[in-house]
Amino acid sequence: GDSVTQMEGPVTLSEEAFLTINCTYTATGYPSLFWYVQYPGEGLQLLLKATKADDKGSNKGFEATYRKETTSFHLEKGSVQVSDSAVYFCALSEPRMDSSYKLIFGSGTRLLVRP
Amino acid sequence: DGGITQSPKYLFRKEGQNVTLSCEQNLNHDAMYWYRQDPGQGLRLIYYSQIVNDFQKGDIAEGYSVSREKKESFPLTVTSAQKNPTAFYLCASSIVSWGLDSPLHFGNGTRLTVT
Repeated sequence: GDSVTQMEGPVTLSEEAFLTINCTYTATGYPSLFWYVQYPGEGLQLLLKATKADDKGSNKGFEATYRKETTSFHLEKGSVQVSDSAVYFCALSEPRMDSSYKLIFGSGTRLLVRP
Repeated sequence: DGGITQSPKYLFRKEGQNVTLSCEQNLNHDAMYWYRQDPGQGLRLIYYSQIVNDFQKGDIAEGYSVSREKKESFPLTVTSAQKNPTAFYLCASSIVSWGLDSPLHFGNGTRLTVT
């Protein structure tokens, strides 16, 4: 079945450093790709998404480009802030037998930004 | 403001007891989901429902039960048959479950501890 692999955390950075969190996927079709963020003690929030190859999703200074040739969707931010400390989940949508879709999540990468 | 409400935030139960987790949404979403999150792991789908009075098993449904009597509500019962019930449980909803561009909206979760 489809799957998502993320780099293991925690990722620890100083404020204003450049961030990359790697995400690769395996899929038989052409899934949409997502990044979700989970702040401490909360549920997940959609951060950005891309629905087809070469699409770039962006939000709050974060970006990710759908790379079909490398089956990747790496998350980047040019200058992180302490408030970006959270767990980041990469996900893809997989079609079900009943023609609906479900999300397949990676294991999450914890980011810790130090002042 | 529209959103998803999960209650309680923390729940403690003795082994052998059934427990029901509440999930209510006022987003007018058709689809609702229950996920389980364990430390260092991604989210695993327990049950989902695309319409009132209908629901399907996800990847780890054993030991759980749900009902969908109202569009707004999707309670999850963790039964005594669930071998490892201690976890963080997340409820989510979406406009339609078969839309590639339909992101999930999450509640803030319920942390269940069974001793």
